[in-house]
Amino acid sequence: RKEVEQDPGPFNVPEGATVAFNCTYSNSASQSFFWYRQDCRKEPKLLMSVYSSGNEDGRFTAQLNRASQYISLLIRDSKLSDSATYLCVARMDSNYQLIWGAGTKLIIKP
Amino acid sequence: DAGVTQSPTHLIKTRGQQVTLRCSPKSGHDTVSWYQQALGQGPQFIFQYYEEEERQRGNFPDRFSGHQFPNYSSELNVNALLLGDSALYLCASSQTGVNQPQHFGDGTRLSIL
Repeated sequence: RKEVEQDPGPFNVPEGATVAFNCTYSNSASQSFFWYRQDCRKEPKLLMSVYSSGNEDGRFTAQLNRASQYISLLIRDSKLSDSATYLCVARMDSNYQLIWGAGTKLIIKP
Repeated sequence: DAGVTQSPTHLIKTRGQQVTLRCSPKSGHDTVSWYQQALGQGPQFIFQYYEEEERQRGNFPDRFSGHQFPNYSSELNVNALLLGDSALYLCASSQTGVNQPQHFGDGTRLSIL
């Protein structure tokens, strides 16, 4: 079983819709979590950190569920420019290594 | 304020050769991590450098080595290249601290013929 798992998609979503995807992690000692987005053949870019209380940044909301060991990303009022691969990342505080999921591909259609 | 810069952007090598990739961290960052990303996969952690020492290493063979310089810049060296080493190599920098997010350079696309 992979340490961080994501549905690879693709998620095909009409423009303006709300889309959500989850990411599960296997190591309960994981403490820090992040969402990155990656455009085709580009580097990953930090989208947001995920805090225990959940956090929101404009149209994006990230939540952490420690009991079920997953984090989620919600995108409201999706834009064509949201089309990308979204990567979930976990890290144990005792470990500097980031563990990455393989990413979920999102395609926003006009 | 320059972000993370990597060089070269593209590189073509043949099996058995050696390669050196370079990374300059974002201003104010002192920690550099290197990743290998194959097509359709998430980045795989190679190692992290802090205070000119390898602080942690992922599951990569000794053919992969690195260095960090006093100005925090870093190099990734790969010896005896294999076809399977073809990938996007990403450098990420951060401030020290476990909750600090990492910021990536554009990457070096390495192709092995």
